[in-house]
Amino acid sequence: EDQVTQSPEALRLQEGESSSLNCSYTVSGLRGLFWYRQDPGKGPEFLFTLYSAGEEKEKERLKATLTKKESFLHITAPKPEDSATYLCAVSKTGTASKLTFGTGTRLQVTL
Amino acid sequence: EAGVVQSPRYKIIEKKQPVAFWCNPISGHNTLYWYLQNLGQGPELLIRYENEEAVDDSQLPKDRFSAERLKGVDSTLKIQPAELGDSAVYLCASSNRRGQTGELFFGEGSRLTVL
Repeated sequence: EDQVTQSPEALRLQEGESSSLNCSYTVSGLRGLFWYRQDPGKGPEFLFTLYSAGEEKEKERLKATLTKKESFLHITAPKPEDSATYLCAVSKTGTASKLTFGTGTRLQVTL
Repeated sequence: EAGVVQSPRYKIIEKKQPVAFWCNPISGHNTLYWYLQNLGQGPELLIRYENEEAVDDSQLPKDRFSAERLKGVDSTLKIQPAELGDSAVYLCASSNRRGQTGELFFGEGSRLTVL
């Protein structure tokens, strides 16, 4: 059975304190791995798509990387506005538009 | 550009009552999704439409849930009768290019509370 596991469940950082969020997956025939951000009371917002091991994507203070078993979302010098839940999702070949989400990592960045 | 619009944002009903949620996707997006999100969990797909056709409804509990997307634009998700366990956030999303890039645009969701 396909599985997406995110860790830690929650993370509290001080402003400027860099860290990484982990997404490990077990999927037969990975088509893509996706990162989303979700603010309280809002729907998820797309961040990145990664297709193959070794691929990296960057956006402002965020960088996503992918290996054959896991993905990391690196947050460099975070700011309070980066506080949110970060969701990882995967899709399989043949069902590319069906995303299976993990449970997310709740990130809080304090001053 | 207007985003995905959902209504109502909040709904409180008693068990066994019916409820309906409405979604208007981004203009030009042919693919529409309904997801269910329980507290502290990731979204789970209920049904996916390509234009008017439901192409994946394997996770939709068909005994009480129904959905339609007439004319291939907006969509309605209905629950009848609602049960206590249906309390959750119902998210609508849309995408172009059949969602191949994984970029789905979500609405703000409809939060259902069943008493």
